[in-house]
Amino acid sequence: DIQMTQSPSTLSASVGDRVTITCRASQSIASWVAWYQQKPGKAPNLLIYEASRLESGVPSRFSGSGSGTDFTLTISSLQPDDFATYYCQLYKSYSATFGQGTKVEVK
Amino acid sequence: QLQLQGSGPGLVQPSETLSLNCTVSGGSITDSYYYWGWIRQPPGKGLEWIGSIYYTGNTFYNPSLKSRVTISVDTSKSQFSLRLSSVTAADTALYYCARARSKQYFDYWGQGALVTVSS
Repeated sequence: DIQMTQSPSTLSASVGDRVTITCRASQSIASWVAWYQQKPGKAPNLLIYEASRLESGVPSRFSGSGSGTDFTLTISSLQPDDFATYYCQLYKSYSATFGQGTKVEVK
Repeated sequence: QLQLQGSGPGLVQPSETLSLNCTVSGGSITDSYYYWGWIRQPPGKGLEWIGSIYYTGNTFYNPSLKSRVTISVDTSKSQFSLRLSSVTAADTALYYCARARSKQYFDYWGQGALVTVSS
């Protein structure tokens, strides 16, 4: 099975900061990575798919990059609504694996 | 607007079978572009994909759960279902149903159904 290692597990930041979250796959998965945002008591919300494609309706301050084994979610200027937990997810050969999650908290 | 509504017992006895249904509205469960999946989240923990199904009945499961999982679809009711057998306390979680695009990333989610395994 392909494993996804997400880091950091917690990130402290301030409004306006540039925030970067990374995921590393245990083997190459081309660009088959999605990113989600989850707020307490809510279902996850799709932000990015195919590593860098922005889901419709998602603010442009969110971006994704990477291919092969290393992937990054970037928030260019953190907004108050962005304090949440973020998950990466690989999808390959009709299977799906989530990263462990990164909680973005107020510094 | 597509909506997914999960339903089922909130309490299951250890060693018994957990059963949940997900009703799809505002869209067609037979849309050829999409799969339908189950994902769970233990309290305070991360997400785990359980498995997915196509409207034709084609399924694929998380290898770690495959021996205990059955996902089925009833297109006449616009529903798909999850059965997880021989449950233990470790299966206590919020169970989400979701729509998957063909490459198995999830763009619409239900609100989640909390299932507690306890005697």
